[in-house]
Amino acid sequence: GAVVSQHPSWVICKSGTSVKIECRSLDFQATTMFWYRQFPKQSLMLMATSNEGSKATYEQGVEKDKFLINHASLTLSTLTVTSAHPEDSSFYICSARVRLDEKLFFGSGTQLSVL
Amino acid sequence: GENVEQHPSTLSVQEGDSAVIKCTYSDSASNYFPWYKQELGKRPQLIIDIRSNVGEKKDQRIAVTLNKTAKHFSLHITETQPEDSAVYFCAASRAAGNKLTFGGGTRVLVKP
Repeated sequence: GAVVSQHPSWVICKSGTSVKIECRSLDFQATTMFWYRQFPKQSLMLMATSNEGSKATYEQGVEKDKFLINHASLTLSTLTVTSAHPEDSSFYICSARVRLDEKLFFGSGTQLSVL
Repeated sequence: GENVEQHPSTLSVQEGDSAVIKCTYSDSASNYFPWYKQELGKRPQLIIDIRSNVGEKKDQRIAVTLNKTAKHFSLHITETQPEDSAVYFCAASRAAGNKLTFGGGTRVLVKP
């Protein structure tokens, strides 16, 4: 099946710094990727839809200036958490589809801890 | 937008017994309903999915039923094994490959 790689798998940063998370589709081109956030023992919440070559679509309540999404190529989407705070500590996970009407493939996730 | 509710939040069963998890959704335009199994710190793994033109689907010990009129769908796991212990999520979307709305999750514990 299709492979989605996410990097880094975990990161610890100081409060106020920025962190970039990469999501790559390794063996297919992904025009659309989705970014989710999962707090401990909670469900996955959609943050934004990332479209190649255009601006991301953010879900209600997600600050677009804080969570910068760039989908510059058909195989790479990045999520940058700017000025991170302890409350941003969470499991961030991306997903991608090969084409519409086919199932999504999830990245391996990134555990972010902000001190 | 879509809202997916999932019950129960925790489920403890004896090995060999069946486990049933139920979900309801609100958006009548939803047509795709996947179920995921997630282990701690890992990505969700698709275990089975169903589309709205089908009422039931089975894959070995796992089955899913869908009642589109009532807007609810269920996951059935038969002959549970300790390795079935995990968190299970239901989800809904308007089409496969579209954004998913997840239920709150069910933590399943299979006791040997």
